[in-house]
Amino acid sequence: DGGITQSPKYLFRKEGQNVTLSCEQNLNHDAMYWYRQDPGQGLRLIYYSQIVNDFQKGDIAEGYSVSREKKESFPLTVTSAQKNPTAFYLCATEGRGYGYTFGSGTRLTVV
Amino acid sequence: AQSVTQPDIHITVSEGASLELRCNYSYGATPYLFWYVQSPGQGLQLLLKYFSGDTLVQGIKGFEAEFKRSQSSFNLRKPSVHWSDAAEYFCAVAADTGGGNKLTFGTGTQLKVEL
Repeated sequence: DGGITQSPKYLFRKEGQNVTLSCEQNLNHDAMYWYRQDPGQGLRLIYYSQIVNDFQKGDIAEGYSVSREKKESFPLTVTSAQKNPTAFYLCATEGRGYGYTFGSGTRLTVV
Repeated sequence: AQSVTQPDIHITVSEGASLELRCNYSYGATPYLFWYVQSPGQGLQLLLKYFSGDTLVQGIKGFEAEFKRSQSSFNLRKPSVHWSDAAEYFCAVAADTGGGNKLTFGTGTQLKVEL
């Protein structure tokens, strides 16, 4: 089955630590996106990539970094510069015909 | 820049009753509009989308939405709600970046269904 795999499902970060969230897709979609979800705030765009080796900042990119070395993979690193990283993170891809396909998310908690 | 407003944070309906979730958008060009549903701890599932043409759009699970340009609205409706429809619903508008579409989401409406 084609789809998006986000891992891990739950992640715990200590203060000052960098952590990386994985997003892998086998849908052959060019565009990939990372969103952050907080209660009552909807989804906010962190980074997006439309082709390999290229990516753009979204609305809340500070404290995050990404790479796009392969079409299938778009990992997100939450750095120690992100002061409030506890949130639910969603990866999405976009194929032709519009509309996103979402992964099942990673819940990150600072301990 | 585009924006989406969902004025109702929470809505409670009885099972079998009709449902309407409101969505207003702001976008300078012809909008591409979407409704998504999210169950707790899960990703988002696409219910329906509007690109052009017929302003009444049919989606999955018996949902429909009507695009009204004069009111900048894209309200979601269902004639008879089932208990399994309890979830959070998000309206979104797409902005063409030239190589993809950035979606801007509303803050969501939490639907509770009373049995």
